[in-house]
Amino acid sequence: QKEVEQDPGPLSVPEGAIVSLNCTYSNSAFQYFMWYRQYSRKGPELLMYTYSSGNKEDGRFTAQVDKSSKYISLFIRDSQPSDSATYLCAMIAGSGGYQKVTFGTGTKLQVIP
Amino acid sequence: GAVVSQHPSRVICKSGTSVKIECRSLDFQATTMFWYRQFPKQSLMLMATSNEGSKATYEQGVEKDKFLINHASLTLSTLTVTSAHPEDSSFYICSAAGTAKDTQYFGPGTRLTVL
Repeated sequence: QKEVEQDPGPLSVPEGAIVSLNCTYSNSAFQYFMWYRQYSRKGPELLMYTYSSGNKEDGRFTAQVDKSSKYISLFIRDSQPSDSATYLCAMIAGSGGYQKVTFGTGTKLQVIP
Repeated sequence: GAVVSQHPSRVICKSGTSVKIECRSLDFQATTMFWYRQFPKQSLMLMATSNEGSKATYEQGVEKDKFLINHASLTLSTLTVTSAHPEDSSFYICSAAGTAKDTQYFGPGTRLTVL
């Protein structure tokens, strides 16, 4: 079983829709949770970062963490064609000097105009 | 936000040659940099962790003699793929840990094609 599970998609939605992207994890040591956006042939770009259960909002993006269920989500409101990309969840166990990041496989999102 | 650059963005080489990839943090000092490899439709896989002034820490299964990492300054780390083979063709991405050590900022990646 992978430490982090993420549906690879692809996920196609119409412009303006609310998008829900999800990851589950098995390692209870994960404390820090991130969402990255990766456009084709580019490096990942950090979108959201959180370390506590609950919601964190930034513009059209909301990150949700449920540590009891080992489940994290990223919601995108009023989705735009420019949001079309692969979204990677990522997690870190602990905050020591060695910050190994475990990534999900990514969900490919396509927002149709 | 923090900016990380990589050079070159794309390289094509013949089998058996060596390729050097540079990773630079442009507006912050990074004591720790990371090197990842990403195959098509797969997630990023950590290859090694590079600490300035010390030897890199390699992940299990990554050959340290094949993937040479040097982190000579707080803004530059290099990855050299020695005696490259077609199976080394991949997307190589570096990242740098910022002042908030729990986040990483990624470079744009280098696409390596070995013929």
